[in-house]
Amino acid sequence: GAGVSQSPRYKVAKRGQDVALRCDPISGHVSLFWYQQALGQGPEFLTYFQNEAQLDKSGLPSDRFFAERPEGSVSTLKIQRTQQEDSAVYLCASSLEGGGNTIYFGEGSWLTVV
Amino acid sequence: AQSVTQPDIHITVSEGASLELRCNYSYGATPYLFWYVQSPGQGLQLLLKYFSGDTLVQGIKGFEAEFKRSQSSFNLRKPSVHWSDAAEYFCAVRGSGNTGKLIFGQGTTLQVKP
Repeated sequence: GAGVSQSPRYKVAKRGQDVALRCDPISGHVSLFWYQQALGQGPEFLTYFQNEAQLDKSGLPSDRFFAERPEGSVSTLKIQRTQQEDSAVYLCASSLEGGGNTIYFGEGSWLTVV
Repeated sequence: AQSVTQPDIHITVSEGASLELRCNYSYGATPYLFWYVQSPGQGLQLLLKYFSGDTLVQGIKGFEAEFKRSQSSFNLRKPSVHWSDAAEYFCAVRGSGNTGKLIFGQGTTLQVKP
């Protein structure tokens, strides 16, 4: 596609529910990133994929967060047993090369946990 | 550890006036620096980036930024602000390692008065 596409755009989850957020990066992009942006804050790095390999997951806040990119294109961020502090915008981004210098962001998935 | 500070949380300028948004970074080596803009409900759009060379960088929408190593700063400027520039602005530095992950500041909200 023309840009990074994320779905759903908006998700309301009850506390304790599992959610899955999808990211379609720009076609052919090697690198894929997930960021979390709390209200009024800058984005914070969660995890990084180079093709299907998850090379950095140092930003995942707990073991309830899990990301995958099994075929090196589409990625899913899964949050298990959601809690109120998980409410945030989850941004996906991609870049053409590994360790990309120009990173393109999607519009984000807005998660509200009630 | 790398970090980015944007000292101004909120700035209001009149349309047609000049603008400067401040950004200070902490990074041991030569930094790769970025400015992104985020409109409400939208993803992040890259305005400009600095990797090396000329310390005055031109970007899209009439923005420019100047890298000053001695001050650890990368301030964003625009000579004449338009109402459509009202948005959230984020400064970022590329983190260490070869993933290309970005470390963002907290952001500055720009309001434009008619």
